[in-house]
Amino acid sequence: GIQVEQSPPDLILQEGANSTLRCNFSDSVNNLQWFHQNPWGQLINLFYIPSGTKQNGRLSATTVATERYSLLYISSSQTTDSGVYFCAVAAGNTDKLIFGTGTRLQVFP
Amino acid sequence: DVKVTQSSRYLVKRTGEKVFLECVQDMDHENMFWYRQDPGLGLRLIYFSYDVKMKEKGDIPEGYSVSREKKERFSLILESASTNQTSMYLCASSLQRSDYEQYFGPGTRLTVT
Repeated sequence: GIQVEQSPPDLILQEGANSTLRCNFSDSVNNLQWFHQNPWGQLINLFYIPSGTKQNGRLSATTVATERYSLLYISSSQTTDSGVYFCAVAAGNTDKLIFGTGTRLQVFP
Repeated sequence: DVKVTQSSRYLVKRTGEKVFLECVQDMDHENMFWYRQDPGLGLRLIYFSYDVKMKEKGDIPEGYSVSREKKERFSLILESASTNQTSMYLCASSLQRSDYEQYFGPGTRLTVT
């Protein structure tokens, strides 16, 4: 089955810093989503981005489907950005999401 | 805004009990999903449903069953809870088959003692 790898596994930043999170996947995908899991466990949708580039405030994402990777950019990080960021993909004729192992982000004041 | 709700945030049950986890979505979505999340194992799909009264097994269906009698509601059933079913359970929904964004509920943290 399709493999999803995220890097780095852990990231520690000071407030105001920028960061880039990466997601590599092993096959063509029909769906790619980025989520932020908050401390209470809820998965918050950030981007639905099987290809192309999107921006939402301080966050943006780019997926290069032909090269099988996606990037999540966080600019001017805030303490509320802390949590785990997941990339998830679906491939073929299935809607089943395959999740990466996540990047744990800690932002300190 | 899509809203997916789950019946409980925290639940404690005893081994052997029958457990029902309920999920409701308010956006007329066709697809609904149940995942569990465990440290070191990530999120894994248990069951999903494309329509009322339809269900399909995910990657780890053993020990679970599901029910979808109404479009907006998808229930996960643990017939006889065991300690290895202690986990975070997350429900999701999406508009229709193929290539549509999934939205997640707040999760139910289940402990089986």
